[in-house]
Amino acid sequence: GENVEQHPSTLSVQEGDSAVIKCTYSDSASNYFPWYKQELGKRPQLIIDIRSNVGEKKDQRIAVTLNKTAKHFSLHITETQPEDSAVYFCAASMDSNYQLIWGAGTKLIIKP
Amino acid sequence: KAGVTQTPRYLIKTRGQQVTLSCSPISGHRSVSWYQQTPGQGLQFLFEYFSETQRNKGNFPGRFSGRQFSNSRSEMNVSTLELGDSALYLCASSFNTVGVTDTQYFGPGTRLTVL
Repeated sequence: GENVEQHPSTLSVQEGDSAVIKCTYSDSASNYFPWYKQELGKRPQLIIDIRSNVGEKKDQRIAVTLNKTAKHFSLHITETQPEDSAVYFCAASMDSNYQLIWGAGTKLIIKP
Repeated sequence: KAGVTQTPRYLIKTRGQQVTLSCSPISGHRSVSWYQQTPGQGLQFLFEYFSETQRNKGNFPGRFSGRQFSNSRSEMNVSTLELGDSALYLCASSFNTVGVTDTQYFGPGTRLTVL
């Protein structure tokens, strides 16, 4: 079955710098890749997603890139701010089974 | 639209008891997924219901069960509670477009403590 690995488990960056979180997946049939942000004590919320027919998607300071050949996708956050501190989860899914397979999460710490 | 709601928000039980958690999806959403979240363990998939049928299942023991009603509301039940069942239980709903994985929207979760 599908497996999603997420790295790093913890990432500490200086405020204003960029942060990159990477996920790799095992099943080449996966075609939907969302990223969720979970702030402390809150529910996970979708921040950006990408489908396999595109290679990159941006939304203000957040971008996701997808490399189907290498089977990995990455979350890029530029000009990090204190409110970016959270746990970020990646996931992968095949449209044929509707189930999201989740990465283990990355705790992002923004240092002032 | 109202978001996903879960009841109760907090629950304290003792070992051996059973518990039922409820999830009301966003209006129009027909798929409900359940997750267990413990500190440092990420999101562990329990099961997913669509059209009153369990469509996907994770690797949890049979003590964990669920169901979905005709109005898409879902319940999960844990029987014979163990200390290790203490966790945040999250449900997520999605619209369920045929042949497409739709965005999942999470509820606030039910915090279960087993003593």
